Amino acid sequence: EPEVTQTPSHQVTQMGQEVILRCVPISNHLYFYWYRQILGQKVEFLVSFYNNEISEKSEIFDDQFSVERPDGSNFTLKIRSTKLEDSAMYFCASDDSLSGNTIYFGEGSWLTVV
Amino acid sequence: AQRVTQPEKLLSVFKGAPVELKCNYSYSGSPELFWYVQYSRQRLQLLLRHISRESIKGFTADLNKGETSFHLKKPFAQEEDSAMYYCALRGYSSASKIIFGSGTRLSIRP
Repeated sequence: EPEVTQTPSHQVTQMGQEVILRCVPISNHLYFYWYRQILGQKVEFLVSFYNNEISEKSEIFDDQFSVERPDGSNFTLKIRSTKLEDSAMYFCASDDSLSGNTIYFGEGSWLTVV
Repeated sequence: AQRVTQPEKLLSVFKGAPVELKCNYSYSGSPELFWYVQYSRQRLQLLLRHISRESIKGFTADLNKGETSFHLKKPFAQEEDSAMYYCALRGYSSASKIIFGSGTRLSIRP
């Protein structure tokens, strides 16, 4: 079964540093998402992306965050000037968003900001 | 407002006992409803969705539009069912995001 893959699986970074989390969505999918799960809390929507544009973003997704699809296969989440509260598991997801289709999630990238 | 409510943070039952994980939702319109499971340190996996009416790993969930509920049930719990369970909803429009509940940790005691 095709999978969404994410790298790195775990990253430790110093506060104030920039971080890029990478995702390879399922190849025929057109819609991409990033979600965040702070330890012990629920999974929160960050942003959706389609046709090289952001479709929707949550209030969490402020100017500190950006997404892009640099090469037609990878889908990246950049966090500028990380803060301690950015420590979380970040999940990438993709689907083709036809009615009745499933969003598939990657295994997640665990970010620890120290 | 779009919202998914899972009132129980933790549910602990004995092996072989019935399980019911509660989920209520609020949504203007008719959403798709899902249950996702997350085993320890693993990715979110789709367990089931209301439109397919399947039974996966012995779990079932019935959408009750009158009560806006989508409770997850299993008649006989097994130890391997121990995990986090998230109820979620999604609209039918393109690129519609999934909204998750806060999750219920199911612990099966031997």
